[in-house]
Amino acid sequence: KNEVEQSPQNLTAQEGEFITINCSYSVGISALHWLQQHPGGGIVSLFMLSSGKKKHGRLIATINIQEKHSSLHITASHPRDSAVYICAVDSSHDMRFGAGTRLTVKP
Amino acid sequence: DTAVSQTPKYLVTQMGNDKSIKCEQNLGHDTMYWYKQDSKKFLKIMFSYNNKELIINETVPNRFSPKSPDKAHLNLHINSLELGDSAVYFCASSQSRAGGRQFFGPGTRLTVL
Repeated sequence: KNEVEQSPQNLTAQEGEFITINCSYSVGISALHWLQQHPGGGIVSLFMLSSGKKKHGRLIATINIQEKHSSLHITASHPRDSAVYICAVDSSHDMRFGAGTRLTVKP
Repeated sequence: DTAVSQTPKYLVTQMGNDKSIKCEQNLGHDTMYWYKQDSKKFLKIMFSYNNKELIINETVPNRFSPKSPDKAHLNLHINSLELGDSAVYFCASSQSRAGGRQFFGPGTRLTVL
């Protein structure tokens, strides 16, 4: 079993829908990252979290350290949000990645 | 200005050759990383460098060696290339190892024939 599990693996939504992507992990961490990989392959770091909640535009990321769980929310989704979203957990000695969630937003 | 750049973008080579991928960041960051993304799109960290010191060295073959001539550069040298080395390699940097978002390079697609 992977130490970082994401769900769902694939997600299709209509434009305007509220999106939630979940990440659960089984190791102790110092921080959690949410990354976005565009269809062209480029990777953008969206958030780095160690507690609580962060918001940037239409994106919101939350983390619950006790439950070892994080969520990435996208409000008012748009076709340009279509990408693979990757959760990664960071410890002082290692970094582990989830398999990614492929999001497709249809107009 | 590109924050994190990698060269080359594509690299096709024969098995057994030695090759290098260069990475440069102009963000003034202290930490740089190398990642490998395999054909199944799974990312894995290979190395992390902070102030010229190797912090993380995942269980990668010793054919792979990171070299940092200065804080702004972290090059990846690969000796005796194997078919299984074919992947996309991403360089990244962050303000420090302890915190901060990472900024990724565009990736280098390595194909070993």
